[in-house]
Amino acid sequence: DIQMTQSPALLSASVGDRVTLSCKTSQSIYNSLAWYQQKLGKAPKLLIYDANSLQTGIPSRFSGSGSGTDYTLTISSLQPEDVATYFCQKFYSGLTFGSGTKLEIK
Amino acid sequence: QEQLKETGPDLVQLTQTLSITCTVSGFSLTTYNVYWVRQPPGKGLEWLGTMWKGGGTDYNSTFKSRLSITRDTSKSQVFLKVNSLQTDDTAKYFCARLFGGNSGGYFDYWGQGVMVTVSS
Repeated sequence: DIQMTQSPALLSASVGDRVTLSCKTSQSIYNSLAWYQQKLGKAPKLLIYDANSLQTGIPSRFSGSGSGTDYTLTISSLQPEDVATYFCQKFYSGLTFGSGTKLEIK
Repeated sequence: QEQLKETGPDLVQLTQTLSITCTVSGFSLTTYNVYWVRQPPGKGLEWLGTMWKGGGTDYNSTFKSRLSITRDTSKSQVFLKVNSLQTDDTAKYFCARLFGGNSGGYFDYWGQGVMVTVSS
């Protein structure tokens, strides 16, 4: 099985900061990766798919990058409404979600 | 407008069977695959099983013997049954629609989820 590791588990940053979240896999998943934002008590919302494609309606401050085994979600300028937990998800070789990064405002 | 909505009990007794219905609108169950995912309180997301658009099913091997997923296309509904419930089945249960990107499958629409507590 391909393992997924998200880091950090908790991230505290200030409004306006550039924020980077990481998702690593134990084998290449060939860009078969998505990022979701989940606010407290809500369903996850798709932000990025195919590692770097922005889902319709998502603000352009969100971007995804990476390839092979290393993937990154970047928020270019953190906003108060971005407080949430962020999950990565792979589809290649079986559906798996990462353990999540909880993002808070400092 | 695409929507999914789960309905089911909020409390189920230990060892009993959980039944949840996912009613979809704005798309057809014969065009998109629908997945069931759960999330224990304060924890991550876990895939339970899939209703394929062709009518077949697939299950997470961890749960396979306890799960059943069926559908009624005329009512746009997908049904999840989990039997022999234990306290660690306490979770929020979601249904979600899969769409195909160039490199894989992703969930573009989700239901709001139903929080189920297993009580002894």
